[in-house]
Amino acid sequence: DAGITQSPRHKVTETGTPVTLRCHQTENHRYMYWYRQDPGHGLRLIHYSYGVKDTDKGEVSDGYSVSRSKTEDFLLTLESATSSQTSVYFCAISEFQTGAGTEAFFGQGTRLTVV
Amino acid sequence: GQQLNQSPQSMFIQEGEDVSMNCTSSSIFNTWLWYKQDPGEGPVLLIALYKAGELTSNGRLTAQFGITRKDSFLNISASIPSDVGIYFCAGRKSNFGNEKLTFGTGTRLTIIP
Repeated sequence: DAGITQSPRHKVTETGTPVTLRCHQTENHRYMYWYRQDPGHGLRLIHYSYGVKDTDKGEVSDGYSVSRSKTEDFLLTLESATSSQTSVYFCAISEFQTGAGTEAFFGQGTRLTVV
Repeated sequence: GQQLNQSPQSMFIQEGEDVSMNCTSSSIFNTWLWYKQDPGEGPVLLIALYKAGELTSNGRLTAQFGITRKDSFLNISASIPSDVGIYFCAGRKSNFGNEKLTFGTGTRLTIIP
């Protein structure tokens, strides 16, 4: 959807290299999230942000770091990619006041393959 | 980390059939959400539930917030080919969007020709 854009959509990288995924939103939502999706595990939270420069760890944060220097951008970095980080990565945004229009809204995903 | 128990894991049905799936938790949630994911896309919100016992419809889809607050149900009536995909439930302990969601592992719906 136009409100949230992930880049790149696909990436193949070598083990040991750093990788940065970008999430850009045009909705001015306060909260941004990075999830990974793997077969049999559903969606698992990696890191999230509750404002510019305010971030916190999710349940599978080891090997990942994030940064949010502007409201609209949330970057996910794999410091040294490993094969276990091969996955589909989703960014999501949400707001504090809930309702069907402000619940977690997902990007289209980035398929990352680490060889 | 905690995950919600979603069942069934997969369903194979014929076009026109009704579908039922559910999501259970060992702890209480005060918000239940249902998402659908098409191949190659991100999950899209179908229905949001904020009150125990609430029954909410979205076209042919109906979802219910269990009275115990530990479960939720999704029904699809008269399935059509575009219903194919993976359905995820998600729960949140509060009614505020700053709190993290916990996701189920998904129900994959396939329609047999």
